Order: sequence, then structure tokens, then C-alpha cells
Amino acid sequence: GAGVSQSPSNKVTEKGKDVELRCDPISGHTALYWYRQSLGQGLEFLIYFQGNSAPDKSGLPSDRFSAERTGGSVSTLTIQRTQQEDSAVYLCASSIIPGPQETQYFGPGTRLLVL
Amino acid sequence: AQTVTQSQPEMSVQEAETVTLSCTYDTSESDYYLFWYKQPPSRQMILVIRQEAYKQQNATENRFSVNFQKAAKSFSLKISDSQLGDAAMYFCAYRSGDNDMRFGAGTRLTVKP
Repeated sequence: GAGVSQSPSNKVTEKGKDVELRCDPISGHTALYWYRQSLGQGLEFLIYFQGNSAPDKSGLPSDRFSAERTGGSVSTLTIQRTQQEDSAVYLCASSIIPGPQETQYFGPGTRLLVL
Repeated sequence: AQTVTQSQPEMSVQEAETVTLSCTYDTSESDYYLFWYKQPPSRQMILVIRQEAYKQQNATENRFSVNFQKAAKSFSLKISDSQLGDAAMYFCAYRSGDNDMRFGAGTRLTVKP
């Protein structure tokens, strides 16, 4: 596709339920990132995938959060036993060459609301 | 850990005027990259401009330019001839040599017609 896509665009769930958020990066981009943006806040790094390397999970806030990237393309962010504080916009970004000089291309995000 | 500070939660500018958004950062590294991203209501983050720390020349991209003061660890964004379409949240971001990326809390820019 022309850009990074994410689905769903909006998700409302009940506290305690599991949710899966999907990210389709730009074709050919080897690096993929997940960020969380709480209301009125900046972006908080969650996890980073690069090729077949082990992902950098240093930003995941708890063990309820996990992510995988199948076939080096599509990624799924899973939040188990959701809590109200998980409500945020979850943004995915990809880039063709990882590293400090890279340009990340962002998707439109998934707005998650936990009731 | 690196931190990025945007001290202006909100800014306002008259159409066709110039506005400057502030950003400071804290780091002990000498080689890094700085970015300004724009996030309109559509939530789509768009790269506005970036600056390599090793370059002394300030980056410029059409109506957008930066004032990079490495010693002061300051990286402000100047928008000239502001347009209604410039209204958005603007995020300053820092990327270290080991790929650690940090964002500021953002500045909401309003453009008045």
C-alpha cells in the first residue's frame, strides 16, 4: 500500500478483555515500531522490530502487553486483561533503514477505549 | 536517559505570520538526530523536518526551518507565512545513536484566519 495502515481505527472494550491491534507497514520496510499516545501526551515507545532480530521490548509497560511480527511484515500488538489506563491511541510506524538517520512513517493509529 | 521538553503546550499565530515552537533536550551524546513531526486531527504523524547533530547548518524545508543550538541543546521550529493547514500538534523528537527515540509532549498550534 501507499502508507502504513492500522486496524481497527477505533476499539471500545470492557475492562479485563483482551484486544489485538494490527499494523501493516509499508512494503519493504524492515523496521517496525509501536508507540502509545495517551490523551494530551507525547509518544511513548513500546516495542521495535528489525528484520529477523529479537525485538526491543524495553518500552512495554507490563507483561500484559506483547507484540509479534509475522513474516517480517504485519505486526499485532496484544493487550491482555485490559485496564482503563490502557486507553490511548496506539501508533505504528515503519522505516526502510533502521538507525538514527531514518525517517519513520506513521500509521493513523488505533484509538483504544477501555470502559 | 534522554528527555525532550516542549515548554509551550499551546501556541497561536495569525495566518501569514511567523511562529516559533520551542524544544529542548537533554543528552550526553554527541551524535544524534532531531525531528519535528506534525500531527493533524487525522492523527497521521507527518515528518516536517529533521536535523543531524553533526551538521552545523540549520535544516530548512520550504516554510519550515529550525534553529539548532547544539551547545544549548535547543531545537526550535520556525514556521513562516503560516497557513490554516499548519494547525496541528507538533512534536519534537530525539533519536540517539543506539536507536532510542524520545518524543516531547507536543505543542498545539492554532492558526487564526
